[in-house]
Amino acid sequence: EPEVTQTPSHQVTQMGQEVILRCVPISNHLYFYWYRQILGQKVEFLVSFYNNEISEKSEIFDDQFSVERPDGSNFTLKIRSTKLEDSAMYFCARTGRARSTDTQYFGPGTRLTVL
Amino acid sequence: GEDVEQSLFLSVREGDSSVINCTYTDSSSTYLYWYKQEPGAGLQLLTYIFSNMDMKQDQRLTVLLNKKDKHLSLRIADTQTGDSAIYFCAPSGNTPLVFGKGTRLSVIA
Repeated sequence: EPEVTQTPSHQVTQMGQEVILRCVPISNHLYFYWYRQILGQKVEFLVSFYNNEISEKSEIFDDQFSVERPDGSNFTLKIRSTKLEDSAMYFCARTGRARSTDTQYFGPGTRLTVL
Repeated sequence: GEDVEQSLFLSVREGDSSVINCTYTDSSSTYLYWYKQEPGAGLQLLTYIFSNMDMKQDQRLTVLLNKKDKHLSLRIADTQTGDSAIYFCAPSGNTPLVFGKGTRLSVIA
């Protein structure tokens, strides 16, 4: 199965700064997800995105988070004003086909460090 | 919501079998996934089982599902040092996957 790539692999930022994490699916899939994993913790769902709209989001995904697919290819997660507790691995995932219930394939992740 | 529990650590000798257990609460889970995470890497889909199956075998991997008890297990036969990783159970009844905390498998040579 074609995978997704994520950039950057590691991002270091100062508290209060904005960061944009990118996910580049290789094939033309419609369902995308963002998950995060705080060090030593479980992987947590943030948001799912279908057909250029948010289809579901968790309580973690508050107003400081946003997602978009501006150029029809890259899928981005923006954190407007980073906090120390945003430090985590952020994983993008996509399904094998268009349906949301299909198997999710994950990218390698972006490690975000907020200082 | 869904709650997924796994034991945190498992240590086995190379060549032995490993059994990683998982319990979940959502009986409507239709697919139950196992993901593997090697140090510093992303989540790699290892295998999955559909909820109407009891067992699925894929080379060295055997997945057992007890729907009544909501218990899932992953057996790795002839465990190798390359199997050292964190293994996550993730039932899926709806769109977002719900992960357990993961079981860290250490393989002793």
